[in-house]
Amino acid sequence: DAGVIQSPRHEVTEMGQEVTLRCKPISGHNSLFWYRQTMMRGLELLIYFNNNVPIDDSGMPEDRFSAKMPNASFSTLKIQPSEPRDSAVYFCASKGQMNTGELFFGEGSRLTVL
Amino acid sequence: SQQGEEDPQALSIQEGENATMNCSYKTSINNLQWYRQNSGRGLVHLILIRSNEREKHSGRLRVTLDTSKKSSSLLITASRAADTASYFCATTGGGNKLTFGTGTQLKVEL
Repeated sequence: DAGVIQSPRHEVTEMGQEVTLRCKPISGHNSLFWYRQTMMRGLELLIYFNNNVPIDDSGMPEDRFSAKMPNASFSTLKIQPSEPRDSAVYFCASKGQMNTGELFFGEGSRLTVL
Repeated sequence: SQQGEEDPQALSIQEGENATMNCSYKTSINNLQWYRQNSGRGLVHLILIRSNEREKHSGRLRVTLDTSKKSSSLLITASRAADTASYFCATTGGGNKLTFGTGTQLKVEL
């Protein structure tokens, strides 16, 4: 299995630009999570999906952030417009229905907003 | 928030020594998990302990859980340089939402 695949691995952009992060979960997994990691705030859950449906988006910082999961094999996290304080590593993780609850993480997308 | 807090924040030991990390959380849980994160990489699941279990082993890892004290510990025995990483506890109170602690940075020196 290829694992959870995220792209891009690194992105540097200027304030005000739109940023789109992409995630392909492990085939057969039905839950998908987006986390953000910073030194100051640690790992924060932004949103998670079950069977492509957003279940809890209470961690999404503000309206500039949006996430979609149009099908079981693809999800996006969009920031528009981006701000320097959005600089962080964004992780996608997936979980299968039958496993014991462990999450499988991608390698992350490191975002720098100048 | 039931975010866990790990203690210590950083730990430096010599290869071959044991490393112990502690995690405290705030609310009742269904299970507690430990993850490892190597620098610049994603998190990797290590072990899960259910709320009705008190101790669990996996290779060189030993996890304990004390629900009365809302705390857990992770022991890595006979540490190796390759164990150098950050270690996080994570809890679920129900459903799929997994909340991570602040992490312990472990450095194992040769």
